[in-house]
Amino acid sequence: AQTVTQSQPEMSVQEAETVTLSCTYDTSESNYYLFWYKQPPSRQMILVIRQEAYKQQNATENRFSVNFQKAAKSFSLKISDSQLGDTAMYFCAFDSGGSNYKLTFGKGTLLTVNP
Amino acid sequence: GAVVSQHPSRVICKSGTSVKIECRSLDFQATTMFWYRQFPKKSLMLMATSNEGSKATYEQGVEKDKFLINHASLTLSTLTVTSAHPEDSSFYICSISEGQVGEKLFFGSGTQLSVL
Repeated sequence: AQTVTQSQPEMSVQEAETVTLSCTYDTSESNYYLFWYKQPPSRQMILVIRQEAYKQQNATENRFSVNFQKAAKSFSLKISDSQLGDTAMYFCAFDSGGSNYKLTFGKGTLLTVNP
Repeated sequence: GAVVSQHPSRVICKSGTSVKIECRSLDFQATTMFWYRQFPKKSLMLMATSNEGSKATYEQGVEKDKFLINHASLTLSTLTVTSAHPEDSSFYICSISEGQVGEKLFFGSGTQLSVL
């Protein structure tokens, strides 16, 4: 079974600074998909970024980028120029790519952006 | 992307009563929907996979007789919490898959259930 580990329960960052959230996973699959989801205080789950394991290039979405290290099974999220609206729970998630479309979530990291 | 509507957003009920939560796919015919449960400041735990026209697939440890799932159409799945107890109080979230392997899930806005 796949597992997803987020070792930082809480983090804080000053506005405009950069922060990196860690995620590691365990799988025997060779092709899979990784996600970072954001859950702000509204509790609506929002996709931040997605990475396909067969792609070596790290995914980037505006201020959000990942450092995907397949051999190390690591998938960290970097948030640049942090904004107050980035305050949220961040969940790393794994999809084995099977036809059941199921996601396995990490326990989450609560990020607080301070003014 | 798909738009998911979940209703109600918040419900309070008495112990022993049943509560139904609806999850609607507004612009996509979803053959597969997922129901998650989330405790305060915790992660999402998959409860069951709802398949249109067939029985739901429950995760280990989830009581299927307590959490009844009905996916009668391609746009609607319901979760009924039967004979609710205070320990059933939680945040319930539905999501749908557009059926493409490795693509993101679309989430409803969640339902906060409080059982008194």
